[in-house]
Amino acid sequence: DQQVKQNSPSLSVQEGRISILNCDYTNSMFDYFLWYKKYPAEGPTFLISISSIKDKNEDGRFTVFLNKSAKHLSLHIVPSQPGDSAVYFCAASETQKLVFGQGTRLTINP
Amino acid sequence: SQTIHQWPATLVQPVGSPLSLECTVEGTSNPNLYWYRQAAGRGLQLLFYSVGIGQISSEVPQNLSASRPQDRQFILSSKKLLLSDSGFYLCAWSLDGGFYEQYFGPGTRLTVT
Repeated sequence: DQQVKQNSPSLSVQEGRISILNCDYTNSMFDYFLWYKKYPAEGPTFLISISSIKDKNEDGRFTVFLNKSAKHLSLHIVPSQPGDSAVYFCAASETQKLVFGQGTRLTINP
Repeated sequence: SQTIHQWPATLVQPVGSPLSLECTVEGTSNPNLYWYRQAAGRGLQLLFYSVGIGQISSEVPQNLSASRPQDRQFILSSKKLLLSDSGFYLCAWSLDGGFYEQYFGPGTRLTVT
């Protein structure tokens, strides 16, 4: 039973446009959500997070939106840059653990 | 600032051989520590986590084990590796009492042949 799902394995976006990565979850007890970015052969790096009491959090080019009723969160990257090409994981917090989605490979085309 | 180290970076081991991967964290005390595995084309699977010395919680029954002999040291072991143990192993830490943001090490690429 996969509690956190990223249904798009890959996404291709033109440089300068908006990238939107989506994530769905099933466990209504999740109270904190995070996005990580991962380059090949490296560990994931923390990008941005959001508490379940908020519906939006912004940090520079990155904005995370949370829709609790739909159990859906999304990461917006504006404008997209070539260095944003990576695999993006969403994660949800359940007590002492994080549950990760399968990841979405984002490719930014020049 | 905090730093997390993992070694080795890559490892090729035959089936049936033992395994020991080490992770250490600097710059923080009593961190929560985690071991994850990323299989090819898959997400991050939590294997073990620890909230203190000698305290290990296992998430997935398998032939791997973990130990925490010191506050900032976390070891992943196996007595006999299987082909299915191949993958990218990641260690992570989070602040004591704050179970949200986790910070990952560089990872170990394990290939079992």
